[in-house]
Amino acid sequence: ETGVTQSPTHLIKTRGQQVTLRCSSQSGHNTVSWYQQALGQGPQFIFQYYREEENGRGNFPPRFSGLQFPNYSSELNVNALELDDSALYLCASSLLASGGGEQFFGPGTRLTVL
Amino acid sequence: DQQVKQNSPSLSVQEGRISILNCDYTNSMFDYFLWYKKYPAEGPTFLISISSIKDKNEDGRFTVFLNKSAKHLSLHIVPSQPGDSAVYFCAASVNAGKSTFGDGTTLTVKP
Repeated sequence: ETGVTQSPTHLIKTRGQQVTLRCSSQSGHNTVSWYQQALGQGPQFIFQYYREEENGRGNFPPRFSGLQFPNYSSELNVNALELDDSALYLCASSLLASGGGEQFFGPGTRLTVL
Repeated sequence: DQQVKQNSPSLSVQEGRISILNCDYTNSMFDYFLWYKKYPAEGPTFLISISSIKDKNEDGRFTVFLNKSAKHLSLHIVPSQPGDSAVYFCAASVNAGKSTFGDGTTLTVKP
């Protein structure tokens, strides 16, 4: 059984650019959530996808968008990058119907915006 | 408006003693509470959870207590081991939806 993987591990971009982060869910999981974790803070919910449809969104602007594919892998796209977008981006997969929603996290992508 | 708060940024305990990590929440709609552990350069790892219909859940050395009237939960680790040193996040959810996380408590267990 493969765990959640994310790519790339680290990324450096400049303000105004666009970035795509990728995530492969744990085998058998149909739900993926994305979180942003700033330094010294807990993960902040960006959005969740269930069977390729957005299933909830946090307080993030529309320039944060996502996709989930038929194999349940996922992408997070951020347009018009700002300095404050520098953070660790975490992907988590789960089975939506599994009790209280324990999630399995990937190691994250560290994004630096200069 | 932080709905889940971990008021202690850090905690240091001696190996073999009890570690108690605390968490407060404000949203009475939360019906499931989770604890995650995070090591450097890794994603959070699920540790233990509790439903709002219970007040205690135990798994080996880890016990979570929930006091709904006080909107407070705690994680007890007994006995604490050096390998338990990590950042611990408290999280809460409604109907297995998005998880709202606290800012974490860094636990250091000294040998």
